Amino acid sequence: EVQLVESGGGLVQPGRSLRLSCVASGFTFGDYVISWFRQTPGKGLEWVGFIRAVGTTLYATSVKGRFTISRDDSNSIAYLQMDSLKIDDTAVYYCTRDYYATFWGQGTLVTVSS
Amino acid sequence: DVVVTQSPLSLPVTLGQPASISCRSSQSLLYSDGITYLNWFQQRPGQSPRRLIYKVSNRDSGVPDRFSGSGSGTDFTLKISRVEAEDVGVYYCLQGTHWPITFGQGTRLEIK
Repeated sequence: EVQLVESGGGLVQPGRSLRLSCVASGFTFGDYVISWFRQTPGKGLEWVGFIRAVGTTLYATSVKGRFTISRDDSNSIAYLQMDSLKIDDTAVYYCTRDYYATFWGQGTLVTVSS
Repeated sequence: DVVVTQSPLSLPVTLGQPASISCRSSQSLLYSDGITYLNWFQQRPGQSPRRLIYKVSNRDSGVPDRFSGSGSGTDFTLKISRVEAEDVGVYYCLQGTHWPITFGQGTRLEIK
């Protein structure tokens, strides 16, 4: 059974950093793209970025230059490093398998507030 | 960015009755490889989204056959042949043909 478990969310001040983790199981992690999405009541579901199996990445314009996705294939973990956080980054963050979100984790809430 | 518009945004349905959700994109979703990257997701209350349909009309494993997807180009539809209580939630379409991929606003299905 494919499972994705996010962690690392919490309350953080604007301008600070946070790193989210996504631990995967039930599939050969190194063979798959991992994508990150976020969800807010106001903006709905939004694609954040992805990392390919070979390690190349692509990001949404709204986070490019501030967020970095990486992966540790030996431990089946993907990371979302979020720097220079803004209030608008407040959301539930999900990691998913594949470009188009075949499987989702349970999400982790990030609240950016002073 | 490609704009994806769902309608209706709220859908009250009587148990056992059919339901239909429309998803329209601002550009054709037919990719140069001949595939249309349009998926449907269900998000039950308090849960993460779950993919139901991929590439317009392919049901994911475990998805009841009362769910069906259709459409082409810019117009797509998710149909539920007979709504059950467990179908309550928000339904989203996602276009994956044009980057960045984008979602519709969501359609909230409730039981009358």
